[in-house]
This record gives sequence, structure tokens and C-alpha cells, in this order.
Amino acid sequence: AIQLTQSPSSLSASVGDRVTITCRASQGISSALAWYQQKPGKAPKLLIYDASSLESGVPSRFSGSGSGTDFTLTISSLQPEDFATYYCQQFNSYPLFTFGPGTKVDIK
Amino acid sequence: QVQLQESGPGLVKPSQTLSLTCTVSGGSISSGDYYWSWIRQPPGKGLEWIGYIYYSGSTYYNPSLKSRVTISVDTSKNQFSLKLSSVTAADTAVYYCARIQLGILDYWGQGTLVTVSS
Repeated sequence: AIQLTQSPSSLSASVGDRVTITCRASQGISSALAWYQQKPGKAPKLLIYDASSLESGVPSRFSGSGSGTDFTLTISSLQPEDFATYYCQQFNSYPLFTFGPGTKVDIK
Repeated sequence: QVQLQESGPGLVKPSQTLSLTCTVSGGSISSGDYYWSWIRQPPGKGLEWIGYIYYSGSTYYNPSLKSRVTISVDTSKNQFSLKLSSVTAADTAVYYCARIQLGILDYWGQGTLVTVSS
């Protein structure tokens, strides 16, 4: 089964900072990767799909890149509403999907 | 706008069967473009995919839960359901239903907390 790791597991940042989160797959998954944002007490929300495609309605400060085994989620200028936990998810190994362990972004 | 809503008991006794239903509104569960999924999240932990179903009844389950999971669909009610048998405290979690489009979870329910306790 394909495993996903995320780094860092948590980070502290300030409003306006550029934030980068990495997701690494245990084997190549082409561009079959999505990113989700989850705020406390809420369901995850889709941000990015196909590694770099921005979901409709998601602010353009979010971007995704990568293919194969290494992927990145970048927030260009962190806003107060962006403090949350971020998960990657691969869907290359159909019918089995997996999530990364998550990266918590909190206020410095 | 598609909406999903989980419903079911919030408390289940150990060794019993957890049963939840997801009601889909704003779209037909019989659309051939989507799969319908269950995901769970233990308190303070990450997301775990449980399994999913197609409107025809075809299913796929996480191998780690396969022996205890049944997902079914009722197209007449626009609902799909989860049954998890022989539950223990380790099954305490927020359970989410979600729609899968091309492998991506694009719409989620709000989630429902199920506690396993006597």
C-alpha cells in the first residue's frame, strides 16, 4: 500500500508568512494528489486536486506543486483564517486511497 | 449545491454494531459520476478512509476494517449507510460521509461523533 508522509507535522507561523508543507509518497503516484484544510470541529475542505489545480472558490494564495513522489502545498501569505490542519490524500492506487498524517499550522 | 448529512446514534456499546446513514441532497446518488464514501477521525487524530460504494452497490473497503464493515446504498431514499460490527473503544471517532469524484473527496458531511462506551 502507498504510504504518505507529511513534513513538518506542525509549524508556527505569523500572519503574512509564506508557508510550505511537504507530502511524500512511498512510491510514484503521478499527479494523483489532493490537499484538504480542516479547522477544529469542521469537516475537511478540498483545496487542491491533481497536485496543482485550485478548487473553485479557494483563494489564490494557496498553490500546489509536484508529481511522482514529492508534493508541496504553499500558502503565499498566511491569513488568520488559514490556521488549521492540512492533509494530503493520494488517489493513484485505486481502489485504495490514503491520507497523510496531517500538518497543523498555528499562530506564532 | 450538493449536501450530505450523517445521522445515527451517538453512543454505541462495546461489541455492538455501529450504524450510520448519510442523506444526500441537491444531487442524485444514482449519478454514475460519483462514489460515496465513509471516513472517520478519532479524537485528536488524523483521517482514516473506511470505504466507498457506487450507486449500483459495488463496494470497496479499507483492508484494515474489511471484516467488520458493510456499506450499502438506497437509491430510492438518496441515502447510503455504514455498519461497523464488534465495535471497541478504538472505534470512537467522528464519522464523515463524503462524495468521491475521480478519486477526490469534493463534498463532505459535517460529521457525527460516535462514542463506544458501556
